[in-house]
Amino acid sequence: GESVGLHLPTLSVQEGDNSIINCAYSNSASDYFIWYKQESGKGPQFIIDIRSNMDKRQGQRVTVLLNKTVKHLSLQIAATQPGDSAVYFCAENSGGSNYKLTFGKGTLLTVNP
Amino acid sequence: GAVVSQHPSRVICKSGTSVKIECRSLDFQATTMFWYRQFPKQSLMLMATSNEGSKATYEQGVEKDKFLINHASLTLSTLTVTSAHPEDSSFYICSANSGGADTQYFGPGTRLTVL
Repeated sequence: GESVGLHLPTLSVQEGDNSIINCAYSNSASDYFIWYKQESGKGPQFIIDIRSNMDKRQGQRVTVLLNKTVKHLSLQIAATQPGDSAVYFCAENSGGSNYKLTFGKGTLLTVNP
Repeated sequence: GAVVSQHPSRVICKSGTSVKIECRSLDFQATTMFWYRQFPKQSLMLMATSNEGSKATYEQGVEKDKFLINHASLTLSTLTVTSAHPEDSSFYICSANSGGADTQYFGPGTRLTVL
C-alpha cells in the first residue's frame, strides 16, 4: 500500500548547526502534510504544516519544503538546540472527509552540545 | 489553543481486566477523534476514527470488540481495552481535530502495562 517513509532514521548534529530531515511520500493524491515532534514518553507535537498548493512554508526556526514532482518533503531546523532532540514524523493527509493521517517511520534527531 | 488531554497518563493492570482511557479536547470542540497505538521506537499506528454521536471506524486488523471506543460528546472520547493481555501493553495516543480542519492535535499519551 502507499505510505510515507523517511530517508534517514537517525540524524546527529552539533548545537547551532542547521538540521534537515527528509521524508518521501508515495500517494500523489495527498494534499496536506504535517511535521510532528515527539519527545520520549510524550505525544506528538505539531510543528508546521503545508498544503500541496505551496512549495515552502516558514515558521519560527523551521521551514518545510514540498517537492511534488519527486514527492519529497523536508523539515529544516535552523540553529539546532539541545531541546530540539526528539523523533520527528512527517504525516500526510490524502484527502477525504475523515481527515486520516498516514505517518512516516520517524527520524531521531540528536543534538550534541 | 488546541489542547488535548488524556487520562490516565500511566496505568498498570492485571491480565484479564479492562482499562478505560479518556481523551478530552480542552479548548475546542472535536468533531473527530483518533486513537493510535505506538510500540517502542516505531511510528504511530491508527486504530480507529471516532466521530461524535456515531460508531467508530476501525482500521483493518483492529478488533472492535476488544478496543471499545465511545465518542459521546464533542470534547470526550474513551477507549476501553477489554480483557487486557500483556501483548496489549503499549503507548496509546489520541488526537482530535475540529470541524472542517484537518490538523490533528495530540494528547500526551497513556502508557498501558498489562501484567
